[in-house]
Amino acid sequence: EVRLVESGGGLVQPGGSLRLSCAGSGFTLSDYYMDWVRQAPGKGLEWVGRTRNKANSYTTEYAASVKGRFTVFRDDSKNSLYLQMNSLTTEDTAFYYCVRGKNGFDSWGLGTLVTVSS
Amino acid sequence: DIQMTQSPSSLSASIGDRVTITCRASQGIRNSLTWFQQKPGKAPKSLIYDTSSLQSGVPSRFSGSGSGTDFSLTISSLQPEDFATYYCQQYGSYPYTFGGGTKVEMK
Repeated sequence: EVRLVESGGGLVQPGGSLRLSCAGSGFTLSDYYMDWVRQAPGKGLEWVGRTRNKANSYTTEYAASVKGRFTVFRDDSKNSLYLQMNSLTTEDTAFYYCVRGKNGFDSWGLGTLVTVSS
Repeated sequence: DIQMTQSPSSLSASIGDRVTITCRASQGIRNSLTWFQQKPGKAPKSLIYDTSSLQSGVPSRFSGSGSGTDFSLTISSLQPEDFATYYCQQYGSYPYTFGGGTKVEMK
């Protein structure tokens, strides 16, 4: 069974940094494109970024709203995905979901809440 | 960026009703369109990918159709567990974008 478990969310001050982790199980992470999607409380979904798989050199794509501030990377030896978030603003407050990019976005984690507030 | 316009934003329906939700892309996305279902406090669940392919384990009352810029999700006979919010998403070009969501409520 495919399972994705996010961690690392919490309260951070504006301008601060946070790193989210996503532990995958039931599949080999290196075979898949992996994404982060976020959802502000009570709002819709927003795609954040992607890392392609090993076969595609782990290249990345980002939404304009996070480009230059957020970095998606992975450690296939740990079957894990990460999201490094810098220069956080209140607009980044959201649930962050780790998603496997197979057949669209076939598997989602439960999400972790990031709150940016002073 | 490709804008995804979903309609209606909400609808009321009864058990057994046929429900259709539409999604329009601001430019062509071939068949790179997926649908999600989200219940309160839960992560989204993938229903349909590549416009019309059913994800494993999803009931056959869900179906998707369309091409180019106009797409739809149909629930052939609404069941109690189908009351939720539904989102479309395009993955034809970056940045990937979502529709605004359709909340399906009980009449």
